[in-house]
Amino acid sequence: ETGVTQTPRHLVMGMTNKKSLKCEQHLGHNAMYWYKQSAKKPLELMFVYSLEERVENNSVPSRFSPECPNSSHLFLHLHTLQPEDSALYLCASSQDNRGEPQHFGDGTRLSIL
Amino acid sequence: LAKTTQPISMDSYEGQEVNITCSHNNIATNDYITWYQQFPSQGPRFIIQGYKTKVTNEVASLFIPADRKSSTLSLPRVSLSDTAVYYCLVGVGGPDTGRRALTFGSGTRLQVQP
Repeated sequence: ETGVTQTPRHLVMGMTNKKSLKCEQHLGHNAMYWYKQSAKKPLELMFVYSLEERVENNSVPSRFSPECPNSSHLFLHLHTLQPEDSALYLCASSQDNRGEPQHFGDGTRLSIL
Repeated sequence: LAKTTQPISMDSYEGQEVNITCSHNNIATNDYITWYQQFPSQGPRFIIQGYKTKVTNEVASLFIPADRKSSTLSLPRVSLSDTAVYYCLVGVGGPDTGRRALTFGSGTRLQVQP
């Protein structure tokens, strides 16, 4: 148990669907992150939120839309995805966005048909 | 951001000490060095973090030479359950540096044999 919970664990969707990934942390952290991990590729940082404000967006396509309603919850809204978006999406949190170790959830395995 | 270079894979046997070295030639003054472990279908788990010299915790040691251009993760007496991918990260700044992003490399796949 890492203190970071992601739902759903698995998701299959068509390219025209709209779905959302959810992340919740019970650690009292102020920073939250979304990563993408494709097969045989390094983890790619997508978004960083600090105190509910987005502080980093690493050239992610607009079909991925993050939302951080409070410091404990983070969402990734998905629409009109492409087959190459199939990957493991990982959420993480840390005390602040200053280099502290990050705590990861176990991810959502997303498959785009 | 500092880029890291690690061996793609390593093999070991139960009970042996394993040392995984990471190169980070462009590490910045305020950067820390952090190692994570990842099992299949799980998120990475923090192992150890250091800035210079040596850091030790209950699961590993981290050796950092004076020039900080490399670091070595040492796992004492590995077991089968240590089979995983190990990531070395740098480019994580301390307070007031304005540097925030973590960059994961390809990692080192450690296979422990009985």
